[in-house]
Amino acid sequence: EIVLTQSPGTLSLSPGERATLSCRASQSVSSSYLAWYQQKPGQAPRLLIFGASSRATGIPDRFSGSGSGTDFTLTISRVEPEDFAVYYCQQYGSLPVTFGQGTKLEIK
Amino acid sequence: EVQLVESGGGLVQPGGSLRLSCAASRFTFSSYWMNWVRQGPGKGLVWVSRINSDGSITSYADSVKGRFTISRDNAKNTLFLQMNSLRAEDTAVYYCARGHYHDSWGQGTLVTVSS
Repeated sequence: EIVLTQSPGTLSLSPGERATLSCRASQSVSSSYLAWYQQKPGQAPRLLIFGASSRATGIPDRFSGSGSGTDFTLTISRVEPEDFAVYYCQQYGSLPVTFGQGTKLEIK
Repeated sequence: EVQLVESGGGLVQPGGSLRLSCAASRFTFSSYWMNWVRQGPGKGLVWVSRINSDGSITSYADSVKGRFTISRDNAKNTLFLQMNSLRAEDTAVYYCARGHYHDSWGQGTLVTVSS
């Protein structure tokens, strides 16, 4: 099983700042089958990024994904008030599909 | 817009069974792999199971293997999760999600396993 470790656990930022979220895999993620999701309280998750760097439909371009192998990053270039949420990475290239434990982006 | 609507959750005693459904609309259901993902109270996301587009290939998390069965009815655009031998640790909101990377999610249905 591929274990995904996200860091930091909590990220405290002010609107307008840059957010960098990390996801490290215990072994290489095949074909960069790595996705990022955003989840707000009481809501279902929303897909942001798939294939490590492709933005999902309707996702603003302030969200970007990068990385390969075992190290992946989600970057929010300038955090907007609506971006404060929990973010999860997921690998879907190997069974079982696994998620990271999440990073909470909170208002500073 | 893609729509996924889960139902069938509720309160069940340990050892009991439930069958969850996910009604899909506004896309060609029979063309997509589908998944179940759960989230315990205050916890993170955990993948449970997936099924290929024609129902011939299924996969499960070790924690549910042998107890849960995923299936689908492409004629009725519906995904199912039969859950048997339920345990307290199965308590969670269960989401259905479309595709290998989950580009659409339902709103979830709450399953509570308690005596």
